[in-house]
Amino acid sequence: DSGVTQTPKHLITATGQRVTLRCSPRSGDLSVYWYQQSLDQGLQFLIQYYNGEERAKGNILERFSAQQFPDLHSELNLSSLELGDSALYFCASSVGTASQHEQYFGPGTRLTVT
Amino acid sequence: GENVEQHPSTLSVQEGDSAVIKCTYSDSASNYFPWYKQELGKGPQLIIDIRSNVGEKKDQRIAVTLNKTAKHFSLHITETQPEDSAVYFCASYTGGFKTIFGAGTRLFVKA
Repeated sequence: DSGVTQTPKHLITATGQRVTLRCSPRSGDLSVYWYQQSLDQGLQFLIQYYNGEERAKGNILERFSAQQFPDLHSELNLSSLELGDSALYFCASSVGTASQHEQYFGPGTRLTVT
Repeated sequence: GENVEQHPSTLSVQEGDSAVIKCTYSDSASNYFPWYKQELGKGPQLIIDIRSNVGEKKDQRIAVTLNKTAKHFSLHITETQPEDSAVYFCASYTGGFKTIFGAGTRLFVKA
């Protein structure tokens, strides 16, 4: 158990809908990262937050947005969903200092868009 | 742009043999190189990492080597066991605060 929690575990929704994925980092970690893993694909970095502020952006679509709250939990919002958005979404956390990048991953949320 | 290439995509070895997975990165500013193991239905788990000021690091049966000049790093697993079967990802942490992952290697260890 990495200490990172993600909810829900599974999500099934229809095209055009909007969903919110939630992540709670390990105790003491200030950075939260979001990744997308499509079937048989590697991990695509979406976005990173550090202590409430956006730190880095990857290949995140404009239909997707994220935020990190004062209690450090994070939410990833996916809107106008398309079939191609079906994937595993992972959250990871790290201490977040400049010299410590070790990321600890949650169990993921499996999103199915029908 | 930033890229990490990982080979092979699939690797099958006999129990007790060694397994080697290789990665090449493109961003010369990359300074941190983790390796992750992902078992079916689980999130990736960090198994070993290396920083750019170190050439080799070992942890029991797992070792990682880094060649900064060639922008190349490798994972070595010795005395493989069936429980080593999983997908392994290499990654590089770039100067732009991004972690770029390789496409993954599916390792099968046959008993």
